[in-house]
This record gives sequence, structure tokens and C-alpha cells, in this order.
Amino acid sequence: AQSVTQPDIHITVSEGASLELRCNYSYGATPYLFWYVQSPGQGLQLLLKYFSGDTLVQGIKGFEAEFKRSQSSFNLRKPSVHWSDAAEYFCAVVNNDMRFGAGTRLTVKP
Amino acid sequence: NAGVTQTPKFQVLKTGQSMTLQCAQDMNHEYMSWYRQDPGMGLRLIHYSVGAGITDQGEVPNGYNVSRSTTEDFPLRLLSAAPSQTSVYFCASSYSPPGEAGANVLTFGAGSRLTVL
Repeated sequence: AQSVTQPDIHITVSEGASLELRCNYSYGATPYLFWYVQSPGQGLQLLLKYFSGDTLVQGIKGFEAEFKRSQSSFNLRKPSVHWSDAAEYFCAVVNNDMRFGAGTRLTVKP
Repeated sequence: NAGVTQTPKFQVLKTGQSMTLQCAQDMNHEYMSWYRQDPGMGLRLIHYSVGAGITDQGEVPNGYNVSRSTTEDFPLRLLSAAPSQTSVYFCASSYSPPGEAGANVLTFGAGSRLTVL
């Protein structure tokens, strides 16, 4: 079955530390890939997207993600986390429609 | 730029009551969709529309109706609310369906929190 998996439900990092959020998908073809962020009580904001081409994509707020076809992964990274990055992060995949992972909640320690 | 506007932001219903969640966009987007968000399950697609007069079912359509009489509006109706429909609902829109070449990015509304007692 087609699916999007975010293995980590909750991650805590210290401010200034690096961050990697994992996303794996199972689709037949290479889908379009997205990362969204949701702050408490808010809607979803697009961080970055991958359609084709360079497998390392840059997004807003200093985030980047790398598409690895061999691993069916699209992990999100940030070299130095800020307290304002605390939020929930969703990986999404488009094949015929958009499917979301269950989300990873990020807590940032001072 | 209003973007995607959802009303109401909060609603409490009793089991069996009906209500409509409103969604309006002012970006001339052809594609509109409704998602529900539940803890640990991410967002799941309820219904979507590729243009005025056209609607289709998503992943979890049971208990919900939609219509698309204009390009701007895409209301979601609960005819007989059940506690299992307690959730946060998001409307999203884009120029064309996400799966089409060029994959347009969805713009989300701020959400509507529904509680069914």
C-alpha cells in the first residue's frame, strides 16, 4: 500500500544543535515530495518541495531536505535549531493526491 | 490577500446535529480539498474538487458531503455529527490538482476545530 512514514513522533533538541527529521515513502514511481510546518493553533506552511532535478533542496527558515531514491527517503535538516522552530513537521507525498505522514513534533530546549 | 478562509474556527455540536464548515479562497484556484487532522494520524483527505461542479471522494469521505457551486467556495457538510468526527478540519486549494505535472503547492486555511459531544 502507498504510504508516508515519519518514524519519530517526538524529537527534542537543544537550541543551536543540528536537526534531522526522517521521512520515508512507499510509492511505485518517484512522487513529488514536500515538507510542511505547523505552529500550534495554525495552519500548515510550506517549508520546501522536490519535483525533480537537484536532490538537495533548500527551503525557508534555513531548512533543507535531500531526496534519496535508493532509500525512498526525503529527510529534513537544519544545521542550527532556533527556539522558534518548535512546531510539528509533516512530510507529504503527491502521487495522484497528497498524502501526509503522521507528523513529528519538535521541542527545542534552551 | 485573504488566501484560504475557513469559518467557524471553533464549533461544538451534539451527536446527531448537522452543520457546515465554510471554506472560501480568493486566488482563483480550481482545486480545493478538505482534510481532517487527528493526533498521530497526520492529515487525511476527505473530499476534493477539481473545479466548479466537480467533486470526488478522498481517503475518509464517510459522514461528509461537499458541493462546489462556485470556484471560490467549497463547504463541508456534516449531516448527522458523530463523536468520531471530533477533529481539526483544514481546507486547502491550489491552481490545479497536486498530482498534475508542475505539482502546484497547496495553500492551507487556518483550520476549524470541531468537537462532537
